[in-house]
Amino acid sequence: EAQVTQNPRYLITVTGKKLTVTCSQNMNHEYMSWYRQDPGLGLRQIYYSMNVEVTDKGDVPEGYKVSRKEKRNFPLILESPSPNQTSLYFCASSGRLAGGHGTQYFGPGTRLTVL
Amino acid sequence: AQTVTQSQPEMSVQEAETVTLSCTYDTSESNYYLFWYKQPPSRQMILVIRQEAYKQQNATENRFSVNFQKAAKSFSLKISDSQLGDTAMYFCAFILPNTGNQFYFGTGTSLTVIP
Repeated sequence: EAQVTQNPRYLITVTGKKLTVTCSQNMNHEYMSWYRQDPGLGLRQIYYSMNVEVTDKGDVPEGYKVSRKEKRNFPLILESPSPNQTSLYFCASSGRLAGGHGTQYFGPGTRLTVL
Repeated sequence: AQTVTQSQPEMSVQEAETVTLSCTYDTSESNYYLFWYKQPPSRQMILVIRQEAYKQQNATENRFSVNFQKAAKSFSLKISDSQLGDTAMYFCAFILPNTGNQFYFGTGTSLTVIP
């Protein structure tokens, strides 16, 4: 089954404790992205990657890191989480626009709470 | 700057009736793809419909159709024969092919279908 998986689905942590949210897709997609969703703000892109070892900042990259060492994986790293990073996070992937028409396939979301 | 505006934060519709969700966007590019995504209470992001800007014909997908007005930069979603399962948050979004994988989302419209 074609899917994007994220782990963990729920996470409660404390300020300053480094954490990683994993994302994996099995569709051989070139493009992967991370978003955060906050009430009244919709989805905002944090980082995106157009291929292995190619990443770029989205609209709200501060406080986050990513890496793309393998095509299927795109982890999101919070080196020193703060309460303002409490949010719902989505990973997404998409194929090339010519064939995959840019349609984003989303993971199930990770609810992060930073105390 | 690229923006997406959904001016209706909340809407409701009687079951079996028709409802239209509005979306306007702003970009100076001429080539782009437009999307409507649905987010039910499960929080999963589900693609509803997509439209290529170079196509004049409005996309349809079963009970869902769009009214794409390129000159006016408008992309509304019409849901016919509304069903209880249509209750969800709906997001309008677009992608610019030349930017690789940067998506722009609106803030969403919360739709409630009333039995």
